[in-house]
Amino acid sequence: GQQLNQSPQSMFIQEGEDVSMNCTSSSIFNTWLWYKQDPGEGPVLLIALYKAGELTSNGRLTAQFGITRKDSFLNISASIPSDVGIYFCAGQGHYGGATNKLIFGTGTLLAVQP
Amino acid sequence: DGGITQSPKYLFRKEGQNVTLSCEQNLNHDAMYWYRQDPGQGLRLIYYSQIVNDFQKGDIAEGYSVSREKKESFPLTVTSAQKNPTAFYLCASSRQKNTGELFFGEGSRLTVL
Repeated sequence: GQQLNQSPQSMFIQEGEDVSMNCTSSSIFNTWLWYKQDPGEGPVLLIALYKAGELTSNGRLTAQFGITRKDSFLNISASIPSDVGIYFCAGQGHYGGATNKLIFGTGTLLAVQP
Repeated sequence: DGGITQSPKYLFRKEGQNVTLSCEQNLNHDAMYWYRQDPGQGLRLIYYSQIVNDFQKGDIAEGYSVSREKKESFPLTVTSAQKNPTAFYLCASSRQKNTGELFFGEGSRLTVL
């Protein structure tokens, strides 16, 4: 199965810095989602986006559904040590002949130094 | 508290052995999923079930089998036919069918010696 292009692959930042990551695809999606995975745990849903151009916040996290429907962005403001983990984007749409197929990105590893 | 419970957390097996990973949920969700996660890769769908007594192959079903005899249970068997079974396995469920909003368990790490 095909995966989304997620970048950067990893980020090493200082506490307090802002973080940006994105996900792109050659296909159009109807839904974009962002998950966070703590080490050794299962992913947890952070934000779900359902409309092109939609901008949604969850605390210090802000995500946007790209206007072309082929990309999405996640920003984290004023990072803290507990932001450490792997962030996955996921897109859902008509893909590879299947409807509502959910495709995951390869993840962005975030490390925050106190 | 409601949630998804996977067991065991860690499992070691010898080549040629089948192993079954347990997944139980008390969220009353109809849909359940099994994903495989390898280092540096996204999650890949193995099998999913949208209703009891029915399940569908995902993108990488070869070498795996599942059953859905009860709404709350969706065990995954990793058979000896799976060529590269060492991985982190994640079970998930969702309130609705065809949604991307998944609730994941804590995962099971399988190592084949």
